[in-house]
Amino acid sequence: DAGVTQSPTHLIKTRGQQVTLRCSPKSGHDTVSWYQQALGQGPQFIFQYYEEEERQRGNFPDRFSGHQFPNYSSELNVNALLLGDSALYLCASSKIRDGANVLTFGAGSRLTVL
Amino acid sequence: AQSVTQLDSHVSVSEGTPVLLRCNYSSSYSPSLFWYVQHPNKGLQLLLKYTSAATLVKGINGFEAEFKKSETSFHLTKPSAHMSDAAEYFCVVWMDSSYKLIFGSGTRLLVRP
Repeated sequence: DAGVTQSPTHLIKTRGQQVTLRCSPKSGHDTVSWYQQALGQGPQFIFQYYEEEERQRGNFPDRFSGHQFPNYSSELNVNALLLGDSALYLCASSKIRDGANVLTFGAGSRLTVL
Repeated sequence: AQSVTQLDSHVSVSEGTPVLLRCNYSSSYSPSLFWYVQHPNKGLQLLLKYTSAATLVKGINGFEAEFKKSETSFHLTKPSAHMSDAAEYFCVVWMDSSYKLIFGSGTRLLVRP
């Protein structure tokens, strides 16, 4: 049973560019959350998607956007990249009927902005 | 507002000795608390979860945590450290109102041979 898979694992972008990160949730899960983990810090909540809609959003600018597809997979898009966007981006999935608070995390996509 | 504070940024122990990673929480009601572990270049793995069923929670790999309401603490312990326990550990609280996990700043556990 595959867990949460994320792609790409590593990528390098330059300031001002745009990036798309992808996530496939664990089988049977219907909710996807995205977190940003800067170096040496704990993850910070970006947003959560359920039924293809953004259910909740953390304190991130509108440059961060997402999408959830009918098969529950998700994308995170970041526009106009800044140096400070360099981080590990973690996708996590859960089941809404279980309260959605037991999250399974992927290994992350490490973004470097030069 | 709910939050967690991890009291030590680094903890170093010898292999075979006990592990104690400290966490205090702040919440206006009985929270859902978690401990996650992150090994280098790997995702976060759930160690254990507290949801008010029992104050002593047993997790994977021999770890356990005790919820103490009077002390607002949720410390993680293990009787005997193994080299493979070396990793970053996060104390986490779930915010029902906003469907998100709030992470502590993390404690890096070093295990000396």
